[in-house]
Amino acid sequence: EPEVTQTPSHQVTQMGQEVILRCVPISNHLYFYWYRQILGQKVEFLVSFYNNEISEKSEIFDDQFSVERPDGSNFTLKIRSTKLEDSAMYFCASSSRTGWDTGELFFGEGSRLTVL
Amino acid sequence: RKEVEQDPGPFNVPEGATVAFNCTYSNSASQSFFWYRQDCRKEPKLLMSVYSSGNEDGRFTAQLNRASQYISLLIRDSKLSDSATYLCVVFGTGGGNKLTFGTGTQLKVEL
Repeated sequence: EPEVTQTPSHQVTQMGQEVILRCVPISNHLYFYWYRQILGQKVEFLVSFYNNEISEKSEIFDDQFSVERPDGSNFTLKIRSTKLEDSAMYFCASSSRTGWDTGELFFGEGSRLTVL
Repeated sequence: RKEVEQDPGPFNVPEGATVAFNCTYSNSASQSFFWYRQDCRKEPKLLMSVYSSGNEDGRFTAQLNRASQYISLLIRDSKLSDSATYLCVVFGTGGGNKLTFGTGTQLKVEL
């Protein structure tokens, strides 16, 4: 069964360092998302990406964050200068259609980021 | 008011019990509604969509009341494997093209 894969599964970094989280969405999907979940809190939307550009982003997704689809298969989230409050599980998700008609986003297993 | 609000629980129920979860959403323009399931430290997975007419999938029944902005999930004959966090999810809140998640309701099914 096709799945969304994410690497690394866990990354520990020092405050101020740059981090890149990588995702390989399901191959025929067109819509890509990053969500995050701080431990014990809800899943929060960061950004959506379609047709090689950001289609929507949340207030959380400030100038420290960027996304890229460099080679047609990978979808990356970069945090330029990590802060303690960036510590969370980051989920990549993809969908073949917008969420409204199927509701099904396929999530990866997540990348746990710990900022020290 | 939170965009999507749920009772966090936990709901501790014996095996075989019937349990119901509720959810309210703040934006009346929201377009679509879903229940997702999240196991501990795992990714969310779609459980079922929610329609105004009500829909059923095996032991699970979902209902939407647009007038009250209220969504429900009923689990009958609960099993140990149903233990998880159930996330109420809304699409189209705030006019955006994204899913907005509630905080989730934790269910623990016990012997």
